[in-house]
Amino acid sequence: TQLLEQSPQFLSIQEGENLTVYCNSSSVFSSLQWYRQEPGEGPVLLVTVVTGGEVKKLKRLTFQFGDARKDSSLHITAAQPGDTGLYLCAGADTGNQFYFGTGTSLTVIP
Amino acid sequence: KAGVTQTPRYLIKTRGQQVTLSCSPISGHRSVSWYQQTPGQGLQFLFEYFSETQRNKGNFPGRFSGRQFSNSRSEMNVSTLELGDSALYLCASSLRGGGSYEQYFGPGTRLTVT
Repeated sequence: TQLLEQSPQFLSIQEGENLTVYCNSSSVFSSLQWYRQEPGEGPVLLVTVVTGGEVKKLKRLTFQFGDARKDSSLHITAAQPGDTGLYLCAGADTGNQFYFGTGTSLTVIP
Repeated sequence: KAGVTQTPRYLIKTRGQQVTLSCSPISGHRSVSWYQQTPGQGLQFLFEYFSETQRNKGNFPGRFSGRQFSNSRSEMNVSTLELGDSALYLCASSLRGGGSYEQYFGPGTRLTVT
């Protein structure tokens, strides 16, 4: 079983602050995805990273895939209340199966 | 393009009963994966279907089964329901499946077993 640990598990910050969420594993993944999920809904894909060391930016969100393709981080600049949600990372193994991380619940207080 | 749809959205069943959930993928997508999400275990992979064949299977008992039709629509069945089966069941569609193809999730079916 491929285990993806996310930290922190819970995060409550004020609007305008910056934050980083980490996704770590001892396994190598062929690609890694980040999702945001709101209560009662399915996860929504934010980004896919496939190359070790890859950095992708999506407005105020910056995603990085570790050089060894075992870990990833999500950095949010100047967080807004609309960023509130459950952030999930998911790694794909060579058998094309996805393993989801434990999740980070983010609350941005206005 | 319409998104992934799942029916029903909410379901209440009694222990011992069986249930069938349905998922219609995005048009043109041939891969459908099913996941179970619970507060304690998070999102866990159940199985993936591609072109009517089960391609991957997670670590769930045989009470959980699925199938995919020629139009790529998929159903998931759970027999002899247990209280622990209460969860949000999500399906995700992908063009061809696999790590380099993006998954798009439906809104889920909230199953409550009493």
